[in-house]
Amino acid sequence: QVQLVESGGGVVQPGRSLRLSCAASGFTFSTYGMHWVRQAPGKGLEWVAVIWYDGSDEYYGDSVKGRFTISRDNSKNTLYLQMKSLRVEDTAVYYCARDIGSSSIFDFWGQGTLVTVSS
Amino acid sequence: SSELTQDPAVSVALGQTVRITCQGDSLRTYYASWYQQKPGQAPVLVIYGINNRPSGIPDRFSGSNSGDTASLTITGSQAEDEADYYCASRDTSGHQPVLFGGGTKLTVL
Repeated sequence: QVQLVESGGGVVQPGRSLRLSCAASGFTFSTYGMHWVRQAPGKGLEWVAVIWYDGSDEYYGDSVKGRFTISRDNSKNTLYLQMKSLRVEDTAVYYCARDIGSSSIFDFWGQGTLVTVSS
Repeated sequence: SSELTQDPAVSVALGQTVRITCQGDSLRTYYASWYQQKPGQAPVLVIYGINNRPSGIPDRFSGSNSGDTASLTITGSQAEDEADYYCASRDTSGHQPVLFGGGTKLTVL
């Protein structure tokens, strides 16, 4: 069965960096686009970034553009999110999600990893 | 700027039908997808495309579209349907590829 398992969350000071990982299993990872979506405590869902199935292209939400980098290693079935210059407002649960055929429809989600940015 | 607008909260009596709506300019071009999220859990896709349900989603969930508005209908609401529901679509403005609505809290009375 499809599984997405995020890791790498934790408490970090403003201005610092953190890298999240999402380990995928149960499907052919290299044939699916992948996204990061986040949810601040008590708030709604916010799309963060997408990367094409082969890593050839990527797009970012306005609030993270220039600070976050999405990447993937298809040989390791793993998705990454490198986060730099973290801000208090980046505090959220970060989910990775699989895309149905590059359509920006998320058919499977991980359980999420909490990132807390605080001094 | 582009956005998707949802009512913050909706309630329905047990066994009755409820419609949750999502409005935005991007819906004139792209279909909405709908996600159910229960407290402490990850979102789950319930409807996508014209009116497609992933495997395991009950057929009481259905979707429709008209102009700039997409709707999620639950026919015969069950207690377990109480959750937050989010719509999403691609963005036509070029601002960013994906938009989420603000979410609707559904209470089943």
